[in-house]
Amino acid sequence: EAGVAQSPRYKIIEKRQSVAFWCNPISGHATLYWYQQILGQGPKLLIQFQNNGVVDDSQLPKDRFSAERLKGVDSTLKIQPAKLEDSAVYLCASSLEGADTEAFFGQGTRLTVV
Amino acid sequence: AQSVTQLDSHVSVSEGTPVLLRCNYSSSYSPSLFWYVQHPNKGLQLLLKYTSAATLVKGINGFEAEFKKSETSFHLTKPSAHMSDAAEYFCVVSDLNDYKLSFGAGTTVTVRA
Repeated sequence: EAGVAQSPRYKIIEKRQSVAFWCNPISGHATLYWYQQILGQGPKLLIQFQNNGVVDDSQLPKDRFSAERLKGVDSTLKIQPAKLEDSAVYLCASSLEGADTEAFFGQGTRLTVV
Repeated sequence: AQSVTQLDSHVSVSEGTPVLLRCNYSSSYSPSLFWYVQHPNKGLQLLLKYTSAATLVKGINGFEAEFKKSETSFHLTKPSAHMSDAAEYFCVVSDLNDYKLSFGAGTTVTVRA
């Protein structure tokens, strides 16, 4: 079974530039998560989709971050414009519906803003 | 709102000795709880999960965790640490209604030869 695919693996951009990350979840997984993991910290939920609807985006900085999940499958996360403090690993995860189901994580995209 | 607190930011053990990683949770109802491991430059991997069945849960690589409702704890243990156990460990709680996953701050495990 293929896992959660993310691209790119690494990205370096200058502040005020824009960047986009892509995630392809495991087939059939209705729930998709985007997390931000700053070095030395635990992952922080940015946005959660159930199919193509948003369940929780309360911690998404909406003035600069946006995310969409087209047709309830692939998802993109965009930052525009980037700030230095956005340097982090961005993790995508997916799971079947249900609180007791395992979330499968992608390898993440390491973003460095200089 | 649900949350987890990992009581130790860093644990250092000698190879072959027991490992204990402590996690307390806060939840208004019976939660689903998970432990994930993250090796350097690798993705997060599920070690084990508790979903209201047996309170003692066995996971991969010899790890196990015990759910104690009276203490609101879900501590992770392993009887004998191996060098390959050096990694970051996260305790996670899942919301019953919207499946939101909330992570603890993580515990870094160092294994000394």
